[in-house]
Amino acid sequence: GAVVSQHPSRVICKSGTSVKIECRSLDFQATTMFWYRQFPKQSLMLMATSNEGSKATYEQGVEKDKFLINHASLTLSTLTVTSAHPEDSSFYICSAWTGRSYGYTFGSGTRLTVV
Amino acid sequence: DQQVKQNSPSLSVQEGRISILNCDYTNSMFDYFLWYKKYPAEGPTFLISISSIKDKNEDGRFTVFLNKSAKHLSLHIVPSQPGDSAVYFCAAFQGAQKLVFGQGTRLTINP
Repeated sequence: GAVVSQHPSRVICKSGTSVKIECRSLDFQATTMFWYRQFPKQSLMLMATSNEGSKATYEQGVEKDKFLINHASLTLSTLTVTSAHPEDSSFYICSAWTGRSYGYTFGSGTRLTVV
Repeated sequence: DQQVKQNSPSLSVQEGRISILNCDYTNSMFDYFLWYKKYPAEGPTFLISISSIKDKNEDGRFTVFLNKSAKHLSLHIVPSQPGDSAVYFCAAFQGAQKLVFGQGTRLTINP
């Protein structure tokens, strides 16, 4: 089946630095990928839709200059959290569209802690 | 506006009994629904789905029921096992590739 690999699984960074999270579709091409954020005990919040070769579409309230998304190839999308602050600490999950039967295949998530 | 709602944030069931997770939606244009299972610190995984032209879909211990008139779907797990303890999200298609998720229900199976 389709596999989405997300890296790193966890990262700790200092306030003010930037962190890049990678999301790869391993055995299929993904023209569209999605980035989610999950706060403790809360639902998945869609942050943005990543489209290969074009600009990402951000959900309302998500700062596009803070959460930079690049989808340069059909198998790779990256999320860069710029000038990270402690309130950016969260669990970030990417997903790729894998057809109507299964909807999305999700990556394993990245736990970001900003200290 | 929450178009997909899971009104029970948590559910506790004894091992071996039936677990019933509920989901309500407001958009009558939704035509395909899915359930995902999520363990802590992991991404969600697909569990089961149902098309709006059906009212039931079964896969092993998991059955999803759809009541279109009530805009309600439910996931039944029987018998419940300890490994079923997780957060369950229902989701519905909105547009070609966009899924709308409910808030999730944390299921705990007690031995």
